[in-house]
Amino acid sequence: ETGVTQSPTHLIKTRGQQVTLRCSSQSGHNTVSWYQQALGQGPQFIFQYYREEENGRGNFPPRFSGLQFPNYSSELNVNALELDDSALYLCASRGRGESSYNEQFFGPGTRLTVL
Amino acid sequence: AQTVTQSQPEMSVQEAETVTLSCTYDTSESDYYLFWYKQPPSRQMILVIRQEAYKQQNATENRFSVNFQKAAKSFSLKISDSQLGDAAMYFCAYRTLRAEYGNKLVFGAGTILRVKS
Repeated sequence: ETGVTQSPTHLIKTRGQQVTLRCSSQSGHNTVSWYQQALGQGPQFIFQYYREEENGRGNFPPRFSGLQFPNYSSELNVNALELDDSALYLCASRGRGESSYNEQFFGPGTRLTVL
Repeated sequence: AQTVTQSQPEMSVQEAETVTLSCTYDTSESDYYLFWYKQPPSRQMILVIRQEAYKQQNATENRFSVNFQKAAKSFSLKISDSQLGDAAMYFCAYRTLRAEYGNKLVFGAGTILRVKS
């Protein structure tokens, strides 16, 4: 148990809809990253938030957006869902400190199915 | 751009024996971090072991050790005395030290490890 939680566990949407996934970071963690993991593949970096600002983004279109709140919880929003968006979405949080070696702690993920 | 390759989609090991999972990566950087993560059926990604590229000494964590060959860009994971609880998907991951990339991890495609009793 890492202390990082995600909701919901599973979600089914239809193509064209919008979805919001939530992540609650481990206490004291001020950096959160989101990843998309398609079935049978490794996770792909979507973006990262630090102190409520996006400060790193992977190769994902603008319809993938996020928010980080003062309590360091976070949301991933996906608009105009496509079938290929079906995947496990993971969030990972990292603690304070200057060292970039700090471990990231992953949540259990949200399984999104787009029909 | 950095890439990570895991050439073994699936591996099997007998309980109590040793298994080695392979990973190669491509980068033009000289300083970076490498990681092995374990993802059991519960889906929670768990850090197994990490290696700083500037350290020549191979990292070890109990039954887990790595063989880090920087020149060959190879980073294999050895699991000794395999246990049933080691069965999972294992991912090799790379992280740059460049600040503009933040905490971005670049993952390989993963290796499924099956442990036979």
